[in-house]
Amino acid sequence: EVHLLESGGGLVQPGGSLRLSCAASGFTFNFYAMSWVRQAPGKGLEWVSAISNSGGSTFYADSVKGRFIISRDNSNNTLFLEMSSLRAEDTAIYFCAKNSDQSWSGPYYFDYWGQGNLVTVSS
Amino acid sequence: SYVLTQPPSVSVAPGQTAKITCGGINIGSKNVHWYQQKPGQAPVVVVYDDSDRPSGIPERFSGSNSGNTATLTISRVEAGDEADFYCQVWHSSSDHPKVFGGGTKLTVL
Repeated sequence: EVHLLESGGGLVQPGGSLRLSCAASGFTFNFYAMSWVRQAPGKGLEWVSAISNSGGSTFYADSVKGRFIISRDNSNNTLFLEMSSLRAEDTAIYFCAKNSDQSWSGPYYFDYWGQGNLVTVSS
Repeated sequence: SYVLTQPPSVSVAPGQTAKITCGGINIGSKNVHWYQQKPGQAPVVVVYDDSDRPSGIPERFSGSNSGNTATLTISRVEAGDEADFYCQVWHSSSDHPKVFGGGTKLTVL
């Protein structure tokens, strides 16, 4: 059974940094691309960042480009999102999601999601 | 950027059929995926590639896609189907290629 467990969220001041982790199990982690999708309170879903199965290719939404870094440790089945220069508008639940393919790009879907981790940016 | 338009809300009585639309320019040429999100939970894919169902998703959930509109149809609606539903596509020429619709709240009366 596939499990994705996020950790590392919490309250941070504007301009601060935070690192999210997502521990994966139940599938061959290094076969699949992974993504981070966020949801602001009471709002819809926004795809934030993605990484290919090997880690060699990444994507960032314009809203986080230059501030967030996605990475993965295939030896430990873990996905990361390093967030810096955080803003109030980054406040959201952050979900890690398994892509249905090895590539982050293309008409693929998210077949499994973690339960989400809340990040609150506030002074 | 590519925009997907969903009605904010759809209401239906138990046992009836709910149709949730997702509008986008020439969306019929794209693969559309649908996610169900219940309060406090993570999204779950209920239909992928326009009309395929993952294992474990009831046959009551079906999808279609043509022209400028994709549709998620839920037959014999149950109280437990009440949730937010999001459509999603890949638009390669966009700067934000993995696009979600704004979401539709399905209310079971």
